[in-house]
Amino acid sequence: DVKVTQSSRYLVKRTGEKVFLECVQDMDHENMFWYRQDPGLGLRLIYFSYDVKMKEKGDIPEGYSVSREKKERFSLILESASTNQTSMYLCASSIRQMAYGYTFGSGTRLTVV
Amino acid sequence: DQQVKQNSPSLSVQEGRISILNCDYTNSMFDYFLWYKKYPAEGPTFLISISSIKDKNEDGRFTVFLNKSAKHLSLHIVPSQPGDSAVYFCAASESGSARQLTFGSGTQLTVLP
Repeated sequence: DVKVTQSSRYLVKRTGEKVFLECVQDMDHENMFWYRQDPGLGLRLIYFSYDVKMKEKGDIPEGYSVSREKKERFSLILESASTNQTSMYLCASSIRQMAYGYTFGSGTRLTVV
Repeated sequence: DQQVKQNSPSLSVQEGRISILNCDYTNSMFDYFLWYKKYPAEGPTFLISISSIKDKNEDGRFTVFLNKSAKHLSLHIVPSQPGDSAVYFCAASESGSARQLTFGSGTQLTVLP
């Protein structure tokens, strides 16, 4: 069964901490994405990557960075966590042509206090 | 500016009846549309898709209709079942930029027994 695995289901971090969210896929997909989901706003794209060491900004990249050193792993980094980054974070992957849409991970619920 | 809009945050339907979820888009370059279903504490899962060369796609109880002139798509679920209760997101992409999906804000469907 193909999978996108996010390392943590729930995280609680303090304001100002550096936070790492990890995502691993086992489908040899080229594309990987980080979204956040907030009530009434749906899923908003933070960053995406279409190849190793490649990254592109999405709609809301401010306060975030990403790393893709290996094809299967895509990390989201909150450089200095703030309370407005409390959210559900969803990682996804897809084949290059995206003909079949994304496969999502189960999400990480991050609370910044 | 939201390019994909789901104007109904919630919808309640009686078991056995038809559920109709609606989605509007503003970007005329979108040519591929998808619906995802999301249960609490899980990532979204792909449900059904449609290309702009079609106006209807059917998969079991689920049918997606596309009206390009109105920039409108809808998802019909017949008959609705309690297990269909979830948040439904519509999403769209441009084939020239087939790496990104733009999501709507979601509609919470509740199917009442």
